[in-house]
Amino acid sequence: EPEVTQTPSHQVTQMGQEVILRCVPISNHLYFYWYRQILGQKVEFLVSFYNNEISEKSEIFDDQFSVERPDGSNFTLKIRSTKLEDSAMYFCASSGRLSGNTIYFGEGSWLTVV
Amino acid sequence: KQEVTQIPAALSVPEGENLVLNCSFTDSAIYNLQWFRQDPGKGLTSLLLIQSSQREQTSGRLNASLDKSSGRSTLYIAASQPGDSATYLCAGGEHAGGTSYGKLTFGQGTILTVHP
Repeated sequence: EPEVTQTPSHQVTQMGQEVILRCVPISNHLYFYWYRQILGQKVEFLVSFYNNEISEKSEIFDDQFSVERPDGSNFTLKIRSTKLEDSAMYFCASSGRLSGNTIYFGEGSWLTVV
Repeated sequence: KQEVTQIPAALSVPEGENLVLNCSFTDSAIYNLQWFRQDPGKGLTSLLLIQSSQREQTSGRLNASLDKSSGRSTLYIAASQPGDSATYLCAGGEHAGGTSYGKLTFGQGTILTVHP
């Protein structure tokens, strides 16, 4: 069964460093998302992406964050100047056509900022 | 702003029991509702998706219902097994217009333990 794949599975970074989290969405999907889950808290929406542009973003997704689809298969989340409070599990997700289809999540990238 | 709440927060049942997990949401203009399973330290596995025009969906031993007017969804698990032990999350989907789909608002989850 097709799946969303994410790398790295776990990354430790120093405060102030830049991090890029990578995702390969399901191949025929057109909608891509990033969510995060801080330990012990709810899963939170960060951003949705369609047709090479952001279609919606949450208030969490400020100038520190950016997303990119550099080629036909990858979807990345860049976090600049990381802070301790950015430590979380980051989930990439994708979905199919324009009908609110099921959203499929990857296994997540666990980011620890020290 | 959509708020999603799940009760109970935790549930422990013996194997074989039928059980119901509850999810409530504040904004009835929900686009769809999706139930997920999350194993410790893992990603989210989609279980069922109910469109706003639907009342229920079934997959194997799982049945999910949606009542928009009361702002509730339930996940029914029949004949529970130890392998069903996980955290179950419900999430309300929004359609903010245009190409903006897929913004899910999650509940905090129900931790289910099924003991042999």
